[in-house]
Amino acid sequence: TQLLEQSPQFLSIQEGENLTVYCNSSSVFSSLQWYRQEPGEGPVLLVTVVTGGEVKKLKRLTFQFGDARKDSSLHITAAQPGDTGLYLCAGEYSGGGADGLTFGKGTHLIIQP
Amino acid sequence: DAGVIQSPRHEVTEMGQEVTLRCKPISGHDYLFWYRQTMMRGLELLIYFNNNVPIDDSGMPEDRFSAKMPNASFSTLKIQPSEPRDSAVYFCASSGGGDGNQPQHFGDGTRLSIL
Repeated sequence: TQLLEQSPQFLSIQEGENLTVYCNSSSVFSSLQWYRQEPGEGPVLLVTVVTGGEVKKLKRLTFQFGDARKDSSLHITAAQPGDTGLYLCAGEYSGGGADGLTFGKGTHLIIQP
Repeated sequence: DAGVIQSPRHEVTEMGQEVTLRCKPISGHDYLFWYRQTMMRGLELLIYFNNNVPIDDSGMPEDRFSAKMPNASFSTLKIQPSEPRDSAVYFCASSGGGDGNQPQHFGDGTRLSIL
């Protein structure tokens, strides 16, 4: 069973600070997705990374895929209260086909005004 | 466009009762997934369908759980008999393609409480 470890599990910071959360596995991903989930709602896709070393930016969010495609990070610059939520990474380990994503347990992020 | 629609949003029932959760995927999506989310275990894949056919049900916890997809626009997840440890939020998701680059679109979930 492949495991996706996310850290930290919980993070509470002040508005305006920067933060980084991590997603790690001992196995290689063929692709990795980051989702954000708000209370009472389902996860919503933020980004998909496919190539080792790939960096994608979404406004104040920067996503990086490790060179070996075993890890990923999400960096938020100047966090805002609206960034509060559960951030989930999800990896696809198979070479292709929708085999269902393996999700990490997520990072619960709280941005205090 | 309508997203994935799940019903009911909340279900509270006594142990031993049958529970049926419903899902309408996004029109045109040919993959449908059922997940369960708890604080302890996170989001777990239970089963997924491709073109209405169950492909992988290895995540279904035990025989009390069953899922069907009689047509492209409807799926059910049934628990019979229900137990308190089944309490969780159950999500349905659909996607439009067969590779990991395709996003999964989630419904808002059914919060299930078994007393």
